[in-house]
Amino acid sequence: NAGVMQNPRHLVRRRGQEARLRCSPMKGHSHVYWYRQLPEEGLKFMVYLQKENIIDESGMPKERFSAEFPKEGPSILRIQQVVRGDSAAYFCASSPTGVDQPQHFGDGTRLSIL
Amino acid sequence: SQELEQSPQSLIVQEGKNLTINCTSSKTLYGLYWYKQKYGEGLIFLMMLQKGGEEKSHEKITAKLDEKKQQSSLHITASQPSHAGIYLCGADILGPAGGADGLTFGKGTHLIIQP
Repeated sequence: NAGVMQNPRHLVRRRGQEARLRCSPMKGHSHVYWYRQLPEEGLKFMVYLQKENIIDESGMPKERFSAEFPKEGPSILRIQQVVRGDSAAYFCASSPTGVDQPQHFGDGTRLSIL
Repeated sequence: SQELEQSPQSLIVQEGKNLTINCTSSKTLYGLYWYKQKYGEGLIFLMMLQKGGEEKSHEKITAKLDEKKQQSSLHITASQPSHAGIYLCGADILGPAGGADGLTFGKGTHLIIQP
């Protein structure tokens, strides 16, 4: 029973390029969450999605960041025109329902901006 | 200010000793989750607490949520090298009316076990 799968594990981009981070939730999980971890700030919630719907994006920066969870395929976190400050570890978590269930995390994608 | 405060920030403990990590909120905790993270890896779910006064154990790790649901503690008995890592508490601080289930996390407690 595979856990939450994230790829790539490491991603290097130059300033101005686009970064695409993928997340496949655990089998049977229809709720996906994205978090960002910065060294001195800890883990911060970004966005919560269900299939084809964004439920809460209150933690997403207003510009350049977007997320989707299509009917088929993995959830995608997309960062356009990356800047140095986007360098961080991005984690995806999933749960079977959105209520009173623990979120299970993937191993993360480490994004480095040159 | 940090919504979830963890203490201590770091902890060095001799193997075999007991230790406690605390997680405190100024708001009611509707669900409290403990995770462990090894450096460079993802978070491993340890325990979930929801009811005031609730206590759960798994192997040598025990977690409690106080009656007022504003503080949780994680206690490790007879620590081992495998317990080393970063312990994170995450919580739903918005509750049923919050409309979202993104967790708020503390900054973590770095635990080092000395042989």
